[in-house]
Amino acid sequence: KQEVTQIPAALSVPEGENLVLNCSFTDSAIYNLQWFRQDPGKGLTSLLLIQSSQREQTSGRLNASLDKSSGRSTLYIAASQPGDSATYLCAVKGQAGTALIFGKGTTLSVSS
Amino acid sequence: DTAVSQTPKYLVTQMGNDKSIKCEQNLGHDTMYWYKQDSKKFLKIMFSYNNKELIINETVPNRFSPKSPDKAHLNLHINSLELGDSAVYFCASSQDRGVAYNSPLHFGNGTRLTVT
Repeated sequence: KQEVTQIPAALSVPEGENLVLNCSFTDSAIYNLQWFRQDPGKGLTSLLLIQSSQREQTSGRLNASLDKSSGRSTLYIAASQPGDSATYLCAVKGQAGTALIFGKGTTLSVSS
Repeated sequence: DTAVSQTPKYLVTQMGNDKSIKCEQNLGHDTMYWYKQDSKKFLKIMFSYNNKELIINETVPNRFSPKSPDKAHLNLHINSLELGDSAVYFCASSQDRGVAYNSPLHFGNGTRLTVT
């Protein structure tokens, strides 16, 4: 059964720092991996989707990598800003007909 | 122009009552989901429907019954509510067939259910 783990559970950094969030999964037979952002009291917003055949995806200051064979993904945030403060969730999808399996998230706090 | 909308946003009710949460998506997606987020913020899949057909039914008490009248709607009905049902319930949709299979999951803003 697929399990997704995110480390660290919480992270506090000063504004301007570059940071890395980690995600690992136990079953490498995935179709894609997605990173989401959740603000308090809100739904989840999709940030990046990496297909199983891809190694990385970039959007603005965000870069996500995928190493399927080792069951790992990282989300790199460059030049962090207070507006980046949120919970970041990693999720993996198996074959058609399966749902995304989520990690428990990393809560990021960026201080000005 | 909301993509995935669910109502109500808040629901406070007493134990033993029956309640429903509605969800609609206007993205043309073929698959809809219900997720439950517990007090520790962990998101867990409950149900998935593809074109009105039940695809995923995780280990959820049969007091929970999803209903999909068409592929744009997936409602969640809960009978005999219990204290442990208190959580945030999220509806989501995606395209799970065809060339758009790798489309991201789109979430509603959640329904916070409080059972007293």
